[in-house]
Amino acid sequence: EAGVVQSPRYKIIEKKQPVAFWCNPISGHNTLYWYLQNLGQGPELLIRYENEEAVDDSQLPKDRFSAERLKGVDSTLKIQPAELGDSAVYLCASSLDVLAGFNEQFFGPGTRLTVL
Amino acid sequence: GDSVTQMEGPVTLSEEAFLTINCTYTATGYPSLFWYVQYPGEGLQLLLKATKADDKGSNKGFEATYRKETTSFHLEKGSVQVSDSAVYFCALSDEVAGGTSYGKLTFGQGTILTVHP
Repeated sequence: EAGVVQSPRYKIIEKKQPVAFWCNPISGHNTLYWYLQNLGQGPELLIRYENEEAVDDSQLPKDRFSAERLKGVDSTLKIQPAELGDSAVYLCASSLDVLAGFNEQFFGPGTRLTVL
Repeated sequence: GDSVTQMEGPVTLSEEAFLTINCTYTATGYPSLFWYVQYPGEGLQLLLKATKADDKGSNKGFEATYRKETTSFHLEKGSVQVSDSAVYFCALSDEVAGGTSYGKLTFGQGTILTVHP
């Protein structure tokens, strides 16, 4: 069974440029998460989806960050414009069905963003 | 709000040494507790978990016991190997009324473990 797939693995951009990250969760997983991991820190939740609905986006900086999960499968996280402080690893995770009690999260390898 | 505190790292050990990584938490209700491991260049992997007080999670020789009285979930292994070198994260998941968890994980800052031959 394929795990959570993320692309790209690495991205280097100039500040003020836009950037997008893509995530394909494990097949059949209804719940999808985006986390931000700063160097030397644990991941912090940005947004959680139940199918195509964003049910917890309280930590997402909505002035520059946006996310979507069309059709309740793949998801895209976008930053526009990027700032130097956005340099971090962006992690995607999925779980089978949180509302049914299956809440173990499986993580992708992450996208390492460097903003110059 | 919920929080997790891990012992400061990095931790450097010789092969076959005993490992303890301390983890304490602050949470309302009865969270589930987890240890995740992140090997170089890879994503986080669930190592073990415990869902209620006095539960012991175990996997690959690692163990951790959910201690509600001390709000702790310390990770232990009796004999570490070079292949255990990684970053270890303690985490808890939120719990809402009625015992349903929505799976929001709160992580500690991570502890880097290096094991030398």
